[in-house]
Amino acid sequence: QSVLTQPPSVSGAPGQRVTISCTGSSSNIGARYDVHWYQQLPGTAPKLLIYGNSNRPSGVPDRFSGSKSGTSASLAITGLQAEDEADYYCQSYDSSLSGPVFGGGTKLTVL
Amino acid sequence: EVQLVESGGVVVQPGGSLRLSCAASGFTFDDYAMHWVRQAPGKGLEWVSLISWDGGSTYYADSVKGRFTISRDNSKNSLYLQMNSLRAEDTALYYCAKGFHYYDSSGYYQYYFDYWGQGTLVTVSS
Repeated sequence: QSVLTQPPSVSGAPGQRVTISCTGSSSNIGARYDVHWYQQLPGTAPKLLIYGNSNRPSGVPDRFSGSKSGTSASLAITGLQAEDEADYYCQSYDSSLSGPVFGGGTKLTVL
Repeated sequence: EVQLVESGGVVVQPGGSLRLSCAASGFTFDDYAMHWVRQAPGKGLEWVSLISWDGGSTYYADSVKGRFTISRDNSKNSLYLQMNSLRAEDTALYYCAKGFHYYDSSGYYQYYFDYWGQGTLVTVSS
């Protein structure tokens, strides 16, 4: 059971917009800790996708965006492409556990 | 270009020990905290341990506390994870990750993982 809750899977057709939610609690996201997102393509290591709730590292397309409100955060992907098919993880810090925590991951399928 | 290359993963019996290594390049190693993160087969990511830039502070997940020891050698740009009393549930791909640590505008200390290695597989099985 992950501290941060994500839907196990989402799907969308090419060109569509999908969102992935990440729900936490008052000891992590709700405690004003930032949320970060990682993309893990099949058979590869995770890659930083969004940091500090809504910032994109250099090289990440602006089709990817992040937001945070209250005890939840969301990752939005617009103009869905086949190459976006991957697992996506949210991450924050938890003050009760005194360490970083991850969501369980969401598998994105491009139909 | 930042590169993190892990090594040392093997098949080990329950109760055994193992030392993982991570060779870092492409950045000033002793300026950054470093982490180990693991991923069990078919499962999600789990943070394992953190070491400060100078090795003076270390932190562990409860699941490995007392059994694993993180260390670093800044003269060799290397990170290590000594794993003792291994259990079947320690079976995972172990990633070395560079930490980006910061204080936000409210003074909260935060961090994320901006670069990851390709991982090294540890299998605990008899």
